[in-house]
Parts: sequence; structure tokens; C-alpha cells
Amino acid sequence: QVQIQQWGAGLLKPSETLSLTCVVSDGSFSAYSWSWIRQAPGKGLEWIGEINHSVGTNYNPSLKSRVTISLDTSKEQISLRLTSVTAADTAVYYCARGLLTTGPWGQGTLVTVSS
Amino acid sequence: SSELTQDPAVSVALGQTVTITCQGDSLKNYYASWYQQKPRQAPVLVIYGENNRPSGIPDRFSVSTSRDTASLTITGAQADDEGDYYCTCRDRSDQLVVFGGGTRLTVL
Repeated sequence: QVQIQQWGAGLLKPSETLSLTCVVSDGSFSAYSWSWIRQAPGKGLEWIGEINHSVGTNYNPSLKSRVTISLDTSKEQISLRLTSVTAADTAVYYCARGLLTTGPWGQGTLVTVSS
Repeated sequence: SSELTQDPAVSVALGQTVTITCQGDSLKNYYASWYQQKPRQAPVLVIYGENNRPSGIPDRFSVSTSRDTASLTITGAQADDEGDYYCTCRDRSDQLVVFGGGTRLTVL
């Protein structure tokens, strides 16, 4: 059973940069597109963006100015950076492989933004 | 970007059939994918494309699409089917992905 592990800082202050990383257990890193999704407490799912080895990146227009999704091919890791966070960015952040066709998702990382 | 609209909540009696719908312009061009989410867990893909179920997903889950509406049908709902269901698909621009607001399914 393929597993996606993700990690990163869980508590940030306003204006800081959110940084999360995920890795897949079965070596399928280069065969799929990768997405980041978030879910604010008690709310629905929000697509943040995606990256694909051949196509590049696409971002949610509402976050585009603050988001960077990147690949580290040497480590087979996918990273998310979100700058200038505010309380509105408090959410569980998920990394997902092949969002529209395969999954799975990582376990999620709760990121809380509080002064 | 396009939006996907779902009913906030649906209920079904144990063993009966229930349909969860997802409406949006993007569905005229793209198939929806459907995720099930249980409390404090990551969403799990239950069906995608024309009618494709990942390994381990029971065949009581099926989908159909008509014009701008995708429908997820659970035939013979089980207690384990309770949870939140989200539809998602490509935006018409083909550059973005959109999610529906989610439907909470209760099995009575």
C-alpha cells in the first residue's frame, strides 16, 4: 500500500512563511502530478496548486501571488511554500498524488497561524 | 474559475440507494472525481472518470454525468458510507482544479 508522508512546521506567526514537504514510499515520484490541498477547520477542501514534471505548475488564483510548489528530484520530494501567512491560512494541509485519478493523500498537517 | 455546487447534506436509510449530485459548467467538459472523507481522516478517492473505482472501493459506488451535473450513486448504502463527499474536476481553463463544497451523508 503506497503511503505519502508529509511534514513541516505546525505553528506560525502572522507574516511568516509556511513550508511543507511530502514524499511517496513507492518510488512513483516522477510518474504522477502532485497537488496540495488545504482544509480550514470545519470547512471544505480548497485546491492550492499542482506540479507536473512535464507541464510545470498551476496555482489557485486566490493564492498564486504567495504560493510556490516545487520538486526536489534528487530527494524525490514535493514542497509547498506559502508566504506572508495570516490567521486565514490556518488549515490542515494535504499533499496528494494524482489528485483526479489515483490518490492517495498524505495524512495532513495542521498549520496554525497565531500571534 | 468555475464552481461546483453540491447539496450540503443528504440522508439515506440503511440498505437503500442514495444519489449525491455535483453541478458546474466544468462538468460539460470533464469527468468529476469523488472523494469520501471521514472525521479526522484524509479524503479517499472513491470513483473517477467515466466509472472507475480504485482498488478496494466496493462496486456499490457508481457515477453518471448529464450535461453539467455529475451524480454519485451508492446502491445499498452501508453505515460505513457515512461521511463527507466532495466532487472535483478540472476547471474549463484546464489550468485549475475546483472542488465542490461537499455533501455530508448520513446513513440512518
